[in-house]
Amino acid sequence: KAGVTQTPRYLIKTRGQQVTLSCSPISGHRSVSWYQQTPGQGLQFLFEYFSETQRNKGNFPGRFSGRQFSNSRSEMNVSTLELGDSALYLCASSLHWWTGVENEQFFGPGTRLTVL
Amino acid sequence: GENVEQHPSTLSVQEGDSAVIKCTYSDSASNYFPWYKQELGKGPQLIIDIRSNVGEKKDQRIAVTLNKTAKHFSLHITETQPEDSAVYFCAASWDYGGSQGNLIFGKGTKLSVKP
Repeated sequence: KAGVTQTPRYLIKTRGQQVTLSCSPISGHRSVSWYQQTPGQGLQFLFEYFSETQRNKGNFPGRFSGRQFSNSRSEMNVSTLELGDSALYLCASSLHWWTGVENEQFFGPGTRLTVL
Repeated sequence: GENVEQHPSTLSVQEGDSAVIKCTYSDSASNYFPWYKQELGKGPQLIIDIRSNVGEKKDQRIAVTLNKTAKHFSLHITETQPEDSAVYFCAASWDYGGSQGNLIFGKGTKLSVKP
């Protein structure tokens, strides 16, 4: 079974540009979560999608947005890039989003975004 | 909101020794505590998790203990091997509209196992 795939793996942008990152979850998984990882702040939750609906959102500005398609694939977009947006963006998929069920999150390898 | 603190930030042990990483959380409503291992160039991988209705869980050389009263949980790795070298993250989450997607992570522990 293929794991979580993220494209592209590396990306270089300049300040003010926008960027779109893509995540394909494990086949059959319907929940996708996004995280930002930086040396200073560590792993921070961005948002979670299930059945094309955003279920949870972390404490990030509105420049960060996402969406999920009917096939569970997800994209996240960052507009008006800032230097501080340089980070590893991780996507994780899981079967469900409700509690009470074993619901392990499987992470992809991430997209390394560098903002110059 | 929830806050997870993790110690130590770096840990160096000799092969065969044990390693212990500790985390504390602030929100008593947290009920799920996973541990992830992240190797260079890879995403985090779940190695063990524990729920608040269990005090201890073991999987071969890895064990996790949870003390709900003190709000802390620990990862224990016995008989460490060089391939255990990685960054380890603890995390916590709780019921939030029925979702457990919003994991709150500790800052990570870089474990080095010296042959």
